[in-house]
Amino acid sequence: GAVVSQHPSRVICKSGTSVKIECRSLDFQATTMFWYRQFPKQSLMLMATSNEGSKATYEQGVEKDKFLINHASLTLSTLTVTSAHPEDSSFYICSARDPLRGEPQETQYFGPGTRLLVL
Amino acid sequence: GNSVTQMEGPVTLSEEAFLTINCTYTATGYPSLFWYVQYPGEGLQLLLKATKADDKGSNKGFEATYRKETTSFHLEKGSVQVSDSAVYFCALSLNTGGFKTIFGAGTRLFVKA
Repeated sequence: GAVVSQHPSRVICKSGTSVKIECRSLDFQATTMFWYRQFPKQSLMLMATSNEGSKATYEQGVEKDKFLINHASLTLSTLTVTSAHPEDSSFYICSARDPLRGEPQETQYFGPGTRLLVL
Repeated sequence: GNSVTQMEGPVTLSEEAFLTINCTYTATGYPSLFWYVQYPGEGLQLLLKATKADDKGSNKGFEATYRKETTSFHLEKGSVQVSDSAVYFCALSLNTGGFKTIFGAGTRLFVKA
C-alpha cells in the first residue's frame, strides 16, 4: 500500500510552452502533497506544500505564478510549469501523506519523479 | 537555520564490505531523523528513522543511531550487497510548518561483485 505515481515519467518540451505533471496517490487519500525539485547530484528542495481544496503554500524563492499547483482531489495534485525555460529543466518529485494510516505525521510516500527537459 | 550535511559520494565498495555514510544535522528544536534510499529509476523509500536522542533505527541490515551530543545520524551496514547500490539521503523533519522535511545532498553507493 501507499503507492504514489507520477505522470509523465519524462517530458521534453520547447522553451515557452507549459508542462503539466500529475501526482496521484493510488491506494490512499492524501490531504497533503509536497512538490520537490532535484538538481543533478544535489538534494531535494521543497517547492511547495499542497493541501486538498486550498491554495498551495510555496517556499521562499519559488515563483507561484510560474509553478502552478492544483490539489483538486484527495488523490491528485498537479504541477504546471508555465512558460518553461531551459533553467527549469530538472527532476520533479512529489510526495504524499495519508493521515488515516495512523502513522507519525512526518511519514510521507514519494513518487518516482518526472524528468523535465526544456529545449 | 535547519540543514543536513552528508558525505559526498560516490562511495564504491566491494561486496561484503562495511559501509558507513556520515550525516550531521543542524536544527532548532528536536527533529526526527531519517535515511531514505533511491534505487535507479524509482522514487525515494524510507529506509529507517529515529525520533529521539539515542534511538536506533534499523532495517534490511542498515542501522543508524540518533546522537544528539554530536548531532549525527550515521548510516552503517556490516556487509553490503550489490543490490544495495543506490543513492542514500539523510533527512530531518521538524514539527514546525507542517513537518517539512529537509534533505541532505545524497550519497551514491556503488557495490561491486
